[in-house]
Amino acid sequence: QVQLQESGPGLVKPSETLSLTCTVSGGSISSDYWSWIRQPAGKGLEWIGRIYTSGSTNYNPSLKSRVTMSVDTSKNQFSLKLSSVTAADTAMYYCARMLRGVHDYWGQGTLVTVSS
Amino acid sequence: DIQMTQSPSSLSASVGDRVTITCQASQDISNYLNWFQQKPGKAPKLLIYDASNLETGVPSRFSGSGSGTDFTFTISSLQPEDIATYYCQQYDNLPLTFGGGTKVEIK
Repeated sequence: QVQLQESGPGLVKPSETLSLTCTVSGGSISSDYWSWIRQPAGKGLEWIGRIYTSGSTNYNPSLKSRVTMSVDTSKNQFSLKLSSVTAADTAMYYCARMLRGVHDYWGQGTLVTVSS
Repeated sequence: DIQMTQSPSSLSASVGDRVTITCQASQDISNYLNWFQQKPGKAPKLLIYDASNLETGVPSRFSGSGSGTDFTFTISSLQPEDIATYYCQQYDNLPLTFGGGTKVEIK
């Protein structure tokens, strides 16, 4: 059973960079796509982007200028960096496996608050 | 971006009722549509993939249909544990996009 776990600071100051890591267990990260998705409190879901194990990425154009994703297959981890954050980036951040277009396994989510 | 319009945004139904949610895509997405259930404080859970395929372990009272631009999600007999928000999501084109969600409550 594949499991995903997000980790990273829960509080980030405005204008700084949000950094999160997703650790995959119960399976290898060395195939498939891996996504980041976020959800502001009380609102809907927004796809941030995905990374393939080769390092190839696709980002949501709405965030593309501020997003960087990377993967470390030796640690079975992939990561998200979102720069120049504002209060609008406050949200629950989820990582998920994307198998043939389907997000079938999700992490429990981690709340990131942007505040000084 | 492909816009996904879900309706209604919320509904209230009695236990045992048939519940139907619709999702309309702004352009043809074939059958590249998934449905998720999200309970408060939890991550979304995949229920239906490729518009009509039931994910393993998901009760058969959940079903999906449609292709092209119009899709339907149905709970044949609403149960108390089905209280949640339901989202559709297309994966025909990047960026992946979600519907706005339908909050299902018990009357």
